[in-house]
Amino acid sequence: GDSVTQMEGPVTLSEEAFLTINCTYTATGYPSLFWYVQYPGEGLQLLLKATKADDKGSNKGFEATYRKETTSFHLEKGSVQVSDSAVYFCALNLRPGNQFYFGTGTSLTVIP
Amino acid sequence: ETGVTQTPRHLVMGMTNKKSLKCEQHLGHNAMYWYKQSAKKPLELMFVYSLEERVENNSVPSRFSPECPNSSHLFLHLHTLQPEDSALYLCASSQLLATDTQYFGPGTRLTVL
Repeated sequence: GDSVTQMEGPVTLSEEAFLTINCTYTATGYPSLFWYVQYPGEGLQLLLKATKADDKGSNKGFEATYRKETTSFHLEKGSVQVSDSAVYFCALNLRPGNQFYFGTGTSLTVIP
Repeated sequence: ETGVTQTPRHLVMGMTNKKSLKCEQHLGHNAMYWYKQSAKKPLELMFVYSLEERVENNSVPSRFSPECPNSSHLFLHLHTLQPEDSALYLCASSQLLATDTQYFGPGTRLTVL
């Protein structure tokens, strides 16, 4: 079935370190891919998205490229900050029906 | 400000209680969703409403009963819940059912004793 698999956490990094959170997907169609972020005590916020192969989504220094050949959408940031500490969710959306599939989330803690 | 609000933020209830969760979106969207977020598990889509009509019900037990009186409000009525129903319940909305970006509320943390 359709699903998303992302690397398990928790991930702990020092400030200014490079971040990669892996995400791979399985889908029968041509999904849109998303990264959502959840800060403590809050709901999920859209971080970035890509709607077709080779698209790159970017926001707030984060990037992810839609790789159809490897069915991946890895999240990267060159220099993390303490304020990036949150849980990150990879998700895909298949149409019709607007069915979302989320990964289990990866907790990131950035220490000064 | 996400534009989607949920009340209450925290709820503790016994298995025999009846309670309701409320979601309100201020974005002018036409589709609304309920998700369940449990530890170590992917978000589970529970219900989908489009233009106040239910379009998705993912095999959710009948002890959960949704209601969508208008496009801005969504309720989740709870009765005779089980301890394993303890979770974070998230509401989301999107402009249209076919729009691929959803906006989430902060969630209601539910504990069933």
